[in-house]
Amino acid sequence: QSVLTQSPSASGAPGQRVTISCSGSGSNIGGNYVYWYNQLPGRAPKLLIYRNDQRPSGVADRFSGSKSGTSASLAISGVRSDDEADYYCAAWDDSLSGVVFGGGTKLTVL
Amino acid sequence: QVQLQESGPGLVRPSETLSLSCTVSGGSGSGGAYFWTWIRQSPGKGLEWIGYVYNTGTTKYNPSLESRATISIDSSNNHFSLRLTSMTAADTAIYYCAADVFYGFFDPWGQGTLVIVSS
Repeated sequence: QSVLTQSPSASGAPGQRVTISCSGSGSNIGGNYVYWYNQLPGRAPKLLIYRNDQRPSGVADRFSGSKSGTSASLAISGVRSDDEADYYCAAWDDSLSGVVFGGGTKLTVL
Repeated sequence: QVQLQESGPGLVRPSETLSLSCTVSGGSGSGGAYFWTWIRQSPGKGLEWIGYVYNTGTTKYNPSLESRATISIDSSNNHFSLRLTSMTAADTAIYYCAADVFYGFFDPWGQGTLVIVSS
């Protein structure tokens, strides 16, 4: 049981906009930055979004993050077949004094 | 640019102690201002934060693993390590090392090393 809650799966046709959500509480998302990672099959996770809505250099601007209250979202516009991956949210949790992750959302491009 | 590489045994017997190392190259090595972190992923499961060591030697652990985990740093040799005692089958996972810029900002990650606990 993950501290942050994500839907197990999401899907979209090529070119569509897909949104992945992450729900937490005041001790994690509500009071700290949210980070998003994607993990291609057989690969290590890779940073996609940091500090709620910032993109590292090299990450396509099709990826965007947002946060409101105790929830956060990752949006992928113009989804492509090579976006098929697992997506994880993460945040510091003040109660646990550690980083907590969502359970991951598997994105399927139809 | 910092790069990380895990090393250690791929097989550990139940009740034994796991020892993994993460070699840091580039940047300021393991003396850089990162929270040097271990994260694991059980087969087919999500990510679990194990803990970190800062370059001052300060550590913090996941409460669920704190009694069994020790993370240490050797800045002179540019590596940091994870020691996990009393291994069971539930500890079978891919273990990743990562550089944490700030409380969840993991970039980069190592490629990961699979550890299987079996007799």
